[in-house]
Amino acid sequence: GQQVMQIPQYQHVQEGEDFTTYCNSSTTLSNIQWYKQRPGGHPVFLIQLVKSGEVKKQKRLTFQFGEAKKNSSLHITATQTTDVGTYFCKGGSNYKLTFGKGTLLTVNP
Amino acid sequence: DTEVTQTPKHLVMGMTNKKSLKCEQHMGHRAMYWYKQKAKKPPELMFVYSYEKLSINESVPSRFSPECPNSSLLNLHLHALQPEDSALYLCASSRLGQNNEQFFGPGTRLTVL
Repeated sequence: GQQVMQIPQYQHVQEGEDFTTYCNSSTTLSNIQWYKQRPGGHPVFLIQLVKSGEVKKQKRLTFQFGEAKKNSSLHITATQTTDVGTYFCKGGSNYKLTFGKGTLLTVNP
Repeated sequence: DTEVTQTPKHLVMGMTNKKSLKCEQHMGHRAMYWYKQKAKKPPELMFVYSYEKLSINESVPSRFSPECPNSSLLNLHLHALQPEDSALYLCASSRLGQNNEQFFGPGTRLTVL
C-alpha cells in the first residue's frame, strides 16, 4: 500500500527555536492530514491539506502541501513547552490513508 | 459533543480470558475504526465500520472480533490473546470515508499476561 515517510524521527529543541517535520511519498497523495499526540494521550486532528501547493496556518503552526502533492511539512515557529508530543502525518489515496512513523518533539524550557 | 469515549481505560487479562473493549460516539459519524498502537509507533489500522457494516479488516487475527451494535457503539471482543497483543487500543470515528477528520478516543491500555 501507499506509504508516507516522515522525518526526523526525533527532534529536541530549546524553547523558542523553530521546528519542522516532513512527510514524503513516492506517489501522489490525494490529501494529507496532520495529527498531534501528547505523551500518554491520543492523536488529535490538526489539519487537512487537499490542494497542490496549499499553505495553511494555525497560530504558530504552518502546514504546506507540495506542488506535486508528494510531500508535506509542518513548521512550528518559536516552540513552547506545550508543543511537546509526537506529530504524525497521514496520507494516501481517497480510499486508504496511512500514518507516517511520527516525529517526537521535545522542548527544553 | 465532539468526544469519543472508550472503556475501560486500562485492562489486564490472561491469555485464556475473554474481555471486551467499548467505544461510543454521539457525533452522528457513520464510520468507526479500531487502531492498535505500540509504544513509539504510529497507530495501525485494524478494522473499519461503515454504516455499521465491517468494510475493512486489515488481516487481523481472529482472536480480535469487532462488533458494531448500532451507529454510536463499537466493541472489540478479545479472546485468547498473546502477550505481544499488549498495546494501546484506540477507537476513532469520522464522517464516512477515511479522507475525513478522525476523532480519537483516549484509548484502552491493554496488558496481556
